[in-house]
Amino acid sequence: GAVVSQHPSRVICKSGTSVKIECRSLDFQATTMFWYRQFPKKSLMLMATSNEGSKATYEQGVEKDKFLINHASLTLSTLTVTSAHPEDSSFYICSARGSGLTYNEQFFGPGTRLTVL
Amino acid sequence: DAKTTQPPSMDCAEGRAANLPCNHSTISGNEYVYWYRQIHSQGPQYIIHGLKNNETNEMASLIITEDRKSSTLILPHATLRDTAVYYCIVRVLGTGNQFYFGTGTSLTVIP
Repeated sequence: GAVVSQHPSRVICKSGTSVKIECRSLDFQATTMFWYRQFPKKSLMLMATSNEGSKATYEQGVEKDKFLINHASLTLSTLTVTSAHPEDSSFYICSARGSGLTYNEQFFGPGTRLTVL
Repeated sequence: DAKTTQPPSMDCAEGRAANLPCNHSTISGNEYVYWYRQIHSQGPQYIIHGLKNNETNEMASLIITEDRKSSTLILPHATLRDTAVYYCIVRVLGTGNQFYFGTGTSLTVIP
């Protein structure tokens, strides 16, 4: 089956620093990837839709200058949390749309837990 | 925005069937019903999806009412590893494929 990986799985950083999270589709090409954020005991909230080779589309209320998304290849999308603050601490999850027979499916990564001190 | 309503929590005895309801009374004719689950601190896992016919796979069965305003996910023989949050999602195929998650149902399988 289609596999999506994320790196790192956990990251702790100081307030004011930037953190980059990678999302990779390991065995398929993903023209579209999605980024979600999940606070403790809450549901996943879609942050943005990332299409390869074009600018990401952000959901209402998500700051595009704070959450920089790059989707430079068909297998890699990155989310950079700039000038992170403690309120950015969350579980960040990416997903990738399948191709071919799985075009209408989304495959989720294992998530990255960000803790900002 | 999520267009589904689910009970916040449910318990099920190990080995028994777990029946998880979902209300989607405003579903459109071209929207599919998807079910995902999320085990603690992991990414969501696909379970099953359907349009109007009942569906079954190796993980579960999906029963959709005739008016399509509600559905039930059935785990036929729940195990402790089925303890997770289950999300019911409705979406149209091929429109950017965004998933908007609701609050889900936290299922606890009890030994």
